[in-house]
Amino acid sequence: DQQVKQNSPSLSVQEGRISILNCDYTNSMFDYFLWYKKYPAEGPTFLISISSIKDKNEDGRFTVFLNKSAKHLSLHIVPSQPGDSAVYFCAASVSVGAGSYQLTFGKGTKLSVIP
Amino acid sequence: EPEVTQTPSHQVTQMGQEVILRCVPISNHLYFYWYRQILGQKVEFLVSFYNNEISEKSEIFDDQFSVERPDGSNFTLKIRSTKLEDSAMYFCASSEQGAGEQYFGPGTRLTVT
Repeated sequence: DQQVKQNSPSLSVQEGRISILNCDYTNSMFDYFLWYKKYPAEGPTFLISISSIKDKNEDGRFTVFLNKSAKHLSLHIVPSQPGDSAVYFCAASVSVGAGSYQLTFGKGTKLSVIP
Repeated sequence: EPEVTQTPSHQVTQMGQEVILRCVPISNHLYFYWYRQILGQKVEFLVSFYNNEISEKSEIFDDQFSVERPDGSNFTLKIRSTKLEDSAMYFCASSEQGAGEQYFGPGTRLTVT
């Protein structure tokens, strides 16, 4: 059951260039999307999010784009830095009642930024 | 900056034993979650907890699992009789509101032998 898909398991980018990580989803009930960054032996760290009513959200070097009709979102990192090297998870949120929300994660994309 | 903490960082137990994983969510957060990640697989939702009761649980969260908020700060996950396939990283998360960002702890690596 792959409701959230990250089709690229890895991505290598030169320092200073743009990194583009992609994510597709199938469930139309998802209403909030998030990107998490994860280093080995650590928990996922929240990076940036976007509500389903928006198509773009920007925070410093990070921008998330949402295309609802295509059920696709992407994370742009520009300029990429070696410290950005990590596994990036796309997650989608849906209400599960009592105000709680469940996150469904993709498998992750390992980003390597080459100095 | 406030953060979610989890103890222990690594727990080794024998099959059939009970384990309790502990979490201290961010203090003003009201919604609490457990997720797990089996090696090489996705992070999977286990359970959400709000207002001292379970809001939702996944198929993974069977009768062997339970959660509790025994006091104003701790949030625990108990596995009554561990199985080999329970070996995974277990992440606790919390959020201030239901919708929005969930903040994760560093995880507990559970190894069942």
